[in-house]
Amino acid sequence: QQPVQSPQAVILREGEDAVINCSSSKALYSVHWYRQKHGEAPVFLMILLKGGEQKGHDKISASFNEKKQQSSLYLTASQLSYSGTYFCGTEQGRSGGYQKVTFGTGTKLQVIP
Amino acid sequence: GAGVSQSPRYKVTKRGQDVALRCDPISGHVSLYWYRQALGQGPEFLTYFNYEAQQDKSGLPNDRFSAERPEGSISTLTIQRTEQRDSAMYRCASSFQNQKLFFGSGTQLSVL
Repeated sequence: QQPVQSPQAVILREGEDAVINCSSSKALYSVHWYRQKHGEAPVFLMILLKGGEQKGHDKISASFNEKKQQSSLYLTASQLSYSGTYFCGTEQGRSGGYQKVTFGTGTKLQVIP
Repeated sequence: GAGVSQSPRYKVTKRGQDVALRCDPISGHVSLYWYRQALGQGPEFLTYFNYEAQQDKSGLPNDRFSAERPEGSISTLTIQRTEQRDSAMYRCASSFQNQKLFFGSGTQLSVL
């Protein structure tokens, strides 16, 4: 089941904040966040395991609400380099010891000067 | 190498032809994944290898798709009798101890 992301697209001015949401209809083991710039490969941002943790590095952080099967990515004081498409990916379990990530349709974020 | 390497970067083929897409993962990465990414969409899981063992091929669309990783390093995704609906970006990803995925630049396949 593909996770649903919102919004589909957002335009920010430099310095503004943004929140990208990811929700699933099924119980989750983990949520992954990737950013993909135009014409490039997706790049890993962070992974959150069930337990309601919040993670972050620099001005990008994320939370995972296991009970609501939702995750949110927070971008603070956005920079031009934050532009790209953000994908959340979800795992319902890891019985085989490997990641089987189902990615959402993405949120296109554009930061303008 | 420094990253996941895929070749060719672009592949244009005629309907009905077979194609082979190559992936050279990051040295030491045991886990190798193949994904397919349609334009404007997120990557879609195809198959997973642990060393040379194909442990999950549940995402392969049909029996025209196959993959191998005979020596636990380089992997090949083969599509037989290509169809126009096979046109997409095919991405390989590798990981160490199933941590974050490192994606390759992909092979853009166009079936005419």
